[in-house]
Amino acid sequence: DSGVTQTPKHLITATGQRVTLRCSPRSGDLSVYWYQQSLDQGLQFLIQYYNGEERAKGNILERFSAQQFPDLHSELNLSSLELGDSALYFCASNARGQGGADTQYFGPGTRLTVL
Amino acid sequence: GQNIDQPTEMTATEGAIVQINCTYQTSGFNGLFWYQQHAGEAPTFLSYNVLDGLEEKGRFSSFLSRSKGYSYLLLKELQMKDSASYLCAGMDSNYQLIWGAGTKLIIKP
Repeated sequence: DSGVTQTPKHLITATGQRVTLRCSPRSGDLSVYWYQQSLDQGLQFLIQYYNGEERAKGNILERFSAQQFPDLHSELNLSSLELGDSALYFCASNARGQGGADTQYFGPGTRLTVL
Repeated sequence: GQNIDQPTEMTATEGAIVQINCTYQTSGFNGLFWYQQHAGEAPTFLSYNVLDGLEEKGRFSSFLSRSKGYSYLLLKELQMKDSASYLCAGMDSNYQLIWGAGTKLIIKP
């Protein structure tokens, strides 16, 4: 158990809908990272937050947005869902977001299925 | 550009040794990570190298050559549970991870 929690574990929805995925980082960690992993594909970095501020952006679609709240949990919002958005979404956390190398610890993921 | 290359798939025999190679090109370099990921599960941290040389952790070892932009993960005494994908990730000058596509390791009895 990495200490990173994600809810829900599974999510099934229809095209055009909007969903929110939630992540709670390990105790004491300030950085949260979001990744998308489609079937048999590599990890695609979406976005990073550090202590409530956006720190880095990857290949995140305009239909997707995220935020990190004062209690450091984070939410990833996916809207106007398409079939191709079906994937595993992982959240990871670490203590540092800048100025130092630190291991990222991953949550169990949310499996999103868009029908 | 930044890039991480690793083989797509490898097959090995239970009890044997396998070496998974990774070459990297990053803007600046702050270390090389290896993660293990079983199908449908979260990646789990295996190793971190920032200096040249070999780091050994039980059955797993990781090697780094910064001058060659090269790393490998060595797995000894392979067990069936080692069947997984192995992800190589380089950390750039902004401390961002650049991820490889992963190497799927198949262990045969």
